[in-house]
Amino acid sequence: DTAVSQTPKYLVTQMGNDKSIKCEQNLGHDTMYWYKQDSKKFLKIMFSYNNKELIINETVPNRFSPKSPDKAHLNLHINSLELGDSAVYFCASRGIDNSPLHFGNGTRLTVT
Amino acid sequence: AQSVAQPEDQVNVAEGNPLTVKCTYSVSGNPYLFWYVQYPNRGLQFLLKYITGDNLVKGSYGFEAEFNKSQTSFHLKKPSALVSDSALYFCAVRDSSASKIIFGSGTRLSIRP
Repeated sequence: DTAVSQTPKYLVTQMGNDKSIKCEQNLGHDTMYWYKQDSKKFLKIMFSYNNKELIINETVPNRFSPKSPDKAHLNLHINSLELGDSAVYFCASRGIDNSPLHFGNGTRLTVT
Repeated sequence: AQSVAQPEDQVNVAEGNPLTVKCTYSVSGNPYLFWYVQYPNRGLQFLLKYITGDNLVKGSYGFEAEFNKSQTSFHLKKPSALVSDSALYFCAVRDSSASKIIFGSGTRLSIRP
């Protein structure tokens, strides 16, 4: 069973479009994250939710909007896509206290 | 503010030799420290963590890491490298009082046969 699953795996779209990435975890974790990995492999935290409540919101453009319908799901919606949004987006979840992150396999977004 | 640095973009080691991947950190409170490995087209996989206790922690695939509070370091080590260890390695830190987990820039480990 996949612990953290993201869909789609690949997403190719044109500038100006709106797209969503979905994430689900079956680990029973309360906290979920979105990270962006750029072409140089830098990982930057974007958002974090704890039990459906937004707890981390980094300096991310307003075009990015996370939504957590329940604690097992954290989706990422992106409006008006730009070339610079091209990256791999990783969803992750974490249990209580000092638990490590569990990552999905990523969604490779390519904006043309 | 918390931060983590991996000073080496790439580390090259011959198979069978010991390896070290360096990591230094900065937090205002007590650090929770982690190492992750990333294989091509995959998400990051957890290797080991330091929370408290013994400074030498052991993890998956024969890896270990040594926490050094005075040097604010958490270097990843393995006594004998395997070709299959070749991958991208990330150090991460979390301040014990926060939820944010910050990653270093990554070190590409290349093990030659």
